[in-house]
Amino acid sequence: NAGVTQTPKFQVLKTGQSMTLQCAQDMNHNSMYWYRQDPGMGLRLIYYSASEGTTDKGEVPNGYNVSRLNKREFSLRLESAAPSQTSVYFCASRDGTILSYGYTFGSGTRLTVV
Amino acid sequence: ILNVEQSPQSLHVQEGDSTNFTCSFPSSNFYALHWYRWETAKSPEALFVMTLNGDEKKKGRISATLNTKEGYSYLYIKGSQPEDSATYLCAFIRNNNDMRFGAGTRLTVKP
Repeated sequence: NAGVTQTPKFQVLKTGQSMTLQCAQDMNHNSMYWYRQDPGMGLRLIYYSASEGTTDKGEVPNGYNVSRLNKREFSLRLESAAPSQTSVYFCASRDGTILSYGYTFGSGTRLTVV
Repeated sequence: ILNVEQSPQSLHVQEGDSTNFTCSFPSSNFYALHWYRWETAKSPEALFVMTLNGDEKKKGRISATLNTKEGYSYLYIKGSQPEDSATYLCAFIRNNNDMRFGAGTRLTVKP
């Protein structure tokens, strides 16, 4: 199915553990994004990649790293997980200008850090 | 701090009612506004992309208006149906990659 695929869907980590959230899109979109969703708050941008080979910090980048592996894949890494990183993580992609096109979102990864 | 406020936080209506909710955003540095519909256990889906003051967009029973001078957008649903139950998100955009979401309005339509 065309769209944005995230893996895993659920994950429980212990404090201090590391993990990588994977995201892949098959729509040939240039731009990709990682957001986190916390109760009572809007989606907050962690990192984005405007095009293959580039990455930039968003609103809440601390504690995360990203890799734009190729045009399809954009991964998010937690080097040393903390309970404050318990959240639902969404990957999104977009092609063309934001003036014309909305984002396509993945189905989310629910992460719990204990 | 860039605040994007949505009101009300939640809304319960009866099937057939018409309803509307608000997205408020800074009136300076406006670039675009997006509306998304987010059903439970699914991912957000783009509804409207709005760019010009006075813009009106419509998709079926759902429409949206935009006032960039005063910093608000309204989303209207005419004759609500149970399948309209979802969280509606707005996102204020300052440049091509700086998109800030509101916390959403959660709509429940009772049959």
